Amino acid sequence: DAGVTQSPTHLIKTRGQQVTLRCSPKSGHDTVSWYQQALGQGPQFIFQYYEEEERQRGNFPDRFSGHQFPNYSSELNVNALLLGDSALYLCASSGKGQGKTNEKLLFGSGTQLSVL
Amino acid sequence: DQQVKQNSPSLSVQEGRISILNCDYTNSMFDYFLWYKKYPAEGPTFLISISSIKDKNEDGRFTVFLNKSAKHLSLHIVPSQPGDSAVYFCAASYYGGSQGNLIFGKGTKLSVKP
Repeated sequence: DAGVTQSPTHLIKTRGQQVTLRCSPKSGHDTVSWYQQALGQGPQFIFQYYEEEERQRGNFPDRFSGHQFPNYSSELNVNALLLGDSALYLCASSGKGQGKTNEKLLFGSGTQLSVL
Repeated sequence: DQQVKQNSPSLSVQEGRISILNCDYTNSMFDYFLWYKKYPAEGPTFLISISSIKDKNEDGRFTVFLNKSAKHLSLHIVPSQPGDSAVYFCAASYYGGSQGNLIFGKGTKLSVKP
Protein backbone atom coordinates (compact mmCIF):
# COMPACT_ATOMS: atom_id res chain seq x y z
CA ASP A 1 0.00 0.00 0.00
CA ALA A 2 1.44 3.34 -1.09
CA GLY A 3 -0.08 5.31 1.77
CA VAL A 4 -0.82 8.95 1.05
CA THR A 5 0.70 10.22 -2.18
CA GLN A 6 1.08 13.85 -3.11
CA SER A 7 2.09 15.45 -6.37
CA PRO A 8 4.14 17.22 -7.36
CA THR A 9 6.89 17.00 -4.73
CA HIS A 10 8.29 20.41 -5.58
CA LEU A 11 6.83 23.38 -7.42
CA ILE A 12 8.03 26.88 -8.26
CA LYS A 13 5.55 29.61 -9.14
CA THR A 14 5.59 33.37 -9.41
CA ARG A 15 3.43 35.87 -7.58
CA GLY A 16 -0.09 36.16 -8.91
CA GLN A 17 -0.14 32.72 -10.47
CA GLN A 18 -2.46 29.89 -9.55
CA VAL A 19 -1.42 26.43 -8.37
CA THR A 20 -3.09 23.04 -7.96
CA LEU A 21 -1.74 20.39 -5.63
CA ARG A 22 -2.96 16.82 -5.65
CA CYS A 23 -3.42 14.13 -3.04
CA SER A 24 -4.39 10.48 -3.17
CA PRO A 25 -5.42 9.11 0.21
CA LYS A 26 -4.44 5.75 1.61
CA SER A 27 -6.58 2.93 0.30
CA GLY A 28 -9.67 2.62 2.49
CA HIS A 29 -9.52 6.21 3.73
CA ASP A 30 -12.32 8.59 2.77
CA THR A 31 -11.39 11.85 4.53
CA VAL A 32 -8.68 14.24 3.39
CA SER A 33 -7.23 17.15 5.35
CA TRP A 34 -4.79 19.78 4.08
CA TYR A 35 -2.16 21.54 6.18
CA GLN A 36 0.31 24.32 5.41
CA GLN A 37 3.72 24.19 7.10
CA ALA A 38 5.75 27.36 6.74
CA LEU A 39 9.47 27.30 7.47
CA GLY A 40 10.13 26.98 11.20
CA GLN A 41 6.44 26.55 12.00
CA GLY A 42 4.18 23.64 12.77
CA PRO A 43 1.55 22.48 10.29
CA GLN A 44 -1.51 24.73 10.14
CA PHE A 45 -4.92 23.32 9.25
CA ILE A 46 -6.39 24.59 5.98
CA PHE A 47 -9.51 22.47 5.48
CA GLN A 48 -10.93 18.96 5.50
CA TYR A 49 -12.99 17.15 2.88
CA TYR A 50 -15.41 14.30 3.42
CA GLU A 51 -18.01 12.97 1.00
CA GLU A 52 -16.86 15.58 -1.54
CA GLU A 53 -17.82 18.43 0.81
CA GLU A 54 -15.68 20.82 2.82
CA ARG A 55 -16.41 19.76 6.38
CA GLN A 56 -14.10 22.07 8.34
CA ARG A 57 -12.01 25.08 7.47
CA GLY A 58 -9.15 26.81 9.21
CA ASN A 59 -8.23 30.48 9.15
CA PHE A 60 -7.23 30.73 5.50
CA PRO A 61 -8.51 33.21 2.88
CA ASP A 62 -10.83 32.28 0.05
CA ARG A 63 -7.82 32.14 -2.28
CA PHE A 64 -7.40 28.65 -0.86
CA SER A 65 -9.98 26.25 -2.19
CA GLY A 66 -10.26 22.52 -2.55
CA HIS A 67 -12.10 19.66 -4.06
CA GLN A 68 -12.64 16.01 -3.34
CA PHE A 69 -13.46 13.55 -6.08
CA PRO A 70 -15.67 10.44 -5.91
CA ASN A 71 -12.54 8.26 -5.58
CA TYR A 72 -11.66 10.30 -2.43
CA SER A 73 -8.63 11.96 -3.99
CA SER A 74 -8.36 15.68 -3.42
CA GLU A 75 -6.97 18.88 -4.86
CA LEU A 76 -5.84 22.06 -3.17
CA ASN A 77 -6.02 25.21 -5.30
CA VAL A 78 -4.38 28.49 -4.41
CA ASN A 79 -5.15 31.58 -6.50
CA ALA A 80 -3.26 34.87 -6.74
CA LEU A 81 -0.16 33.45 -5.10
CA LEU A 82 1.72 35.59 -2.60
CA LEU A 83 5.31 35.24 -1.47
CA GLY A 84 3.95 34.20 1.94
CA ASP A 85 2.30 31.15 0.40
CA SER A 86 5.71 29.53 0.09
CA ALA A 87 5.49 26.49 2.34
CA LEU A 88 5.27 22.72 2.56
CA TYR A 89 1.70 21.62 1.88
CA LEU A 90 0.76 18.42 3.62
CA CYS A 91 -2.16 16.18 2.86
CA ALA A 92 -3.45 13.76 5.49
CA SER A 93 -6.04 11.06 5.10
CA SER A 94 -8.16 9.18 7.59
CA GLY A 95 -11.04 6.76 7.55
CA LYS A 96 -14.37 6.78 9.32
CA GLY A 97 -15.03 4.17 11.92
CA GLN A 98 -11.40 3.97 12.97
CA GLY A 99 -11.76 5.27 16.48
CA LYS A 100 -9.79 8.38 17.25
CA THR A 101 -9.59 10.00 13.84
CA ASN A 102 -6.66 12.18 14.70
CA GLU A 103 -4.54 9.23 15.70
CA LYS A 104 -5.24 7.65 12.37
CA LEU A 105 -4.28 10.72 10.38
CA LEU A 106 -1.74 9.54 7.85
CA PHE A 107 0.33 12.29 6.32
CA GLY A 108 1.89 12.38 2.90
CA SER A 109 5.41 13.68 2.34
CA GLY A 110 4.09 17.00 1.12
CA THR A 111 4.51 19.39 -1.79
CA GLN A 112 7.14 22.08 -1.35
CA LEU A 113 5.81 25.25 -3.00
CA SER A 114 8.12 28.18 -3.66
CA VAL A 115 6.62 31.47 -4.78
CA LEU A 116 9.09 33.89 -6.37
CA ASP B 1 -1.79 34.03 19.30
CA GLN B 2 -0.22 30.59 19.51
CA GLN B 3 -2.47 28.14 21.32
CA VAL B 4 0.14 25.36 21.43
CA LYS B 5 3.69 26.32 22.34
CA GLN B 6 6.92 24.39 22.20
CA ASN B 7 9.43 26.81 23.64
CA SER B 8 12.54 24.76 22.97
CA PRO B 9 13.45 24.78 19.28
CA SER B 10 16.10 22.12 19.82
CA LEU B 11 17.32 19.52 22.31
CA SER B 12 20.49 17.45 22.31
CA VAL B 13 20.71 14.25 24.35
CA GLN B 14 23.23 11.45 24.72
CA GLU B 15 22.21 7.99 23.55
CA GLY B 16 20.72 5.93 26.37
CA ARG B 17 19.68 8.96 28.41
CA ILE B 18 16.19 10.40 28.83
CA SER B 19 14.79 12.96 26.38
CA ILE B 20 12.11 15.28 27.74
CA LEU B 21 10.18 17.42 25.29
CA ASN B 22 7.79 20.02 26.63
CA CYS B 23 4.60 21.61 25.35
CA ASP B 24 2.29 24.27 26.78
CA TYR B 25 -1.20 25.16 25.65
CA THR B 26 -3.50 28.07 26.36
CA ASN B 27 -6.96 26.83 25.36
CA SER B 28 -8.68 24.94 28.19
CA MET B 29 -11.18 23.53 25.68
CA PHE B 30 -8.56 21.19 24.25
CA ASP B 31 -9.33 17.68 25.39
CA TYR B 32 -6.99 15.53 23.34
CA PHE B 33 -3.26 15.83 22.81
CA LEU B 34 -0.93 14.10 20.41
CA TRP B 35 2.77 13.92 19.61
CA TYR B 36 4.02 13.52 16.04
CA LYS B 37 7.51 12.81 14.83
CA LYS B 38 8.83 14.16 11.54
CA TYR B 39 11.93 13.14 9.63
CA PRO B 40 13.26 15.34 6.79
CA ALA B 41 11.42 14.89 3.49
CA GLU B 42 8.68 12.87 5.18
CA GLY B 43 5.27 13.74 6.59
CA PRO B 44 4.63 13.74 10.33
CA THR B 45 3.90 10.33 11.83
CA PHE B 46 1.73 9.73 14.88
CA LEU B 47 3.67 8.76 18.00
CA ILE B 48 1.46 8.80 21.09
CA SER B 49 -1.63 10.57 22.42
CA ILE B 50 -3.40 11.32 25.66
CA SER B 51 -6.94 12.24 26.57
CA SER B 52 -7.60 15.02 29.05
CA ILE B 53 -9.19 12.52 31.43
CA LYS B 54 -5.79 10.91 31.95
CA ASP B 55 -2.51 12.25 33.27
CA LYS B 56 -0.19 9.65 31.77
CA ASN B 57 -0.01 7.36 28.78
CA GLU B 58 2.80 4.95 28.05
CA ASP B 59 3.83 3.12 24.90
CA GLY B 60 7.14 1.32 25.02
CA ARG B 61 9.94 3.85 25.37
CA PHE B 62 7.52 6.77 25.02
CA THR B 63 5.47 8.28 27.84
CA VAL B 64 3.32 11.39 27.69
CA PHE B 65 2.40 13.27 30.86
CA LEU B 66 -0.43 15.79 31.08
CA ASN B 67 -0.78 18.45 33.77
CA LYS B 68 -4.13 20.10 33.12
CA SER B 69 -3.88 22.66 35.88
CA ALA B 70 -0.61 23.91 34.41
CA LYS B 71 -1.80 23.38 30.81
CA HIS B 72 1.42 21.51 30.19
CA LEU B 73 2.35 18.21 28.66
CA SER B 74 5.64 16.47 28.16
CA LEU B 75 6.98 13.56 26.16
CA HIS B 76 9.60 11.34 27.76
CA ILE B 77 11.74 9.02 25.65
CA VAL B 78 13.68 6.44 27.63
CA PRO B 79 16.23 5.32 26.60
CA SER B 80 16.92 7.69 23.73
CA GLN B 81 18.31 6.20 20.54
CA PRO B 82 20.02 7.86 17.56
CA GLY B 83 17.04 6.88 15.39
CA ASP B 84 14.87 9.11 17.57
CA SER B 85 16.59 12.16 16.09
CA ALA B 86 13.78 14.06 14.38
CA VAL B 87 11.47 17.04 14.84
CA TYR B 88 8.74 16.40 17.40
CA PHE B 89 5.45 18.24 17.19
CA CYS B 90 2.93 18.58 19.96
CA ALA B 91 -0.67 18.90 18.76
CA ALA B 92 -4.02 19.48 20.40
CA SER B 93 -7.62 19.01 19.37
CA TYR B 94 -11.22 19.27 20.54
CA TYR B 95 -14.01 16.72 20.74
CA GLY B 96 -11.87 13.90 22.08
CA GLY B 97 -9.75 13.75 18.99
CA SER B 98 -12.57 12.83 16.68
CA GLN B 99 -12.08 15.77 14.36
CA GLY B 100 -9.37 16.38 11.81
CA ASN B 101 -8.50 19.88 12.94
CA LEU B 102 -5.21 19.60 14.83
CA ILE B 103 -3.44 22.63 16.28
CA PHE B 104 0.31 22.10 16.17
CA GLY B 105 3.20 23.67 18.02
CA LYS B 106 6.30 24.82 16.17
CA GLY B 107 8.22 21.66 16.95
CA THR B 108 11.37 20.70 18.82
CA LYS B 109 14.32 19.24 16.96
CA LEU B 110 15.76 16.35 18.96
CA SER B 111 19.32 15.21 18.31
CA VAL B 112 20.44 11.99 20.00
CA LYS B 113 24.23 11.66 20.00
CA PRO B 114 25.80 8.18 19.88
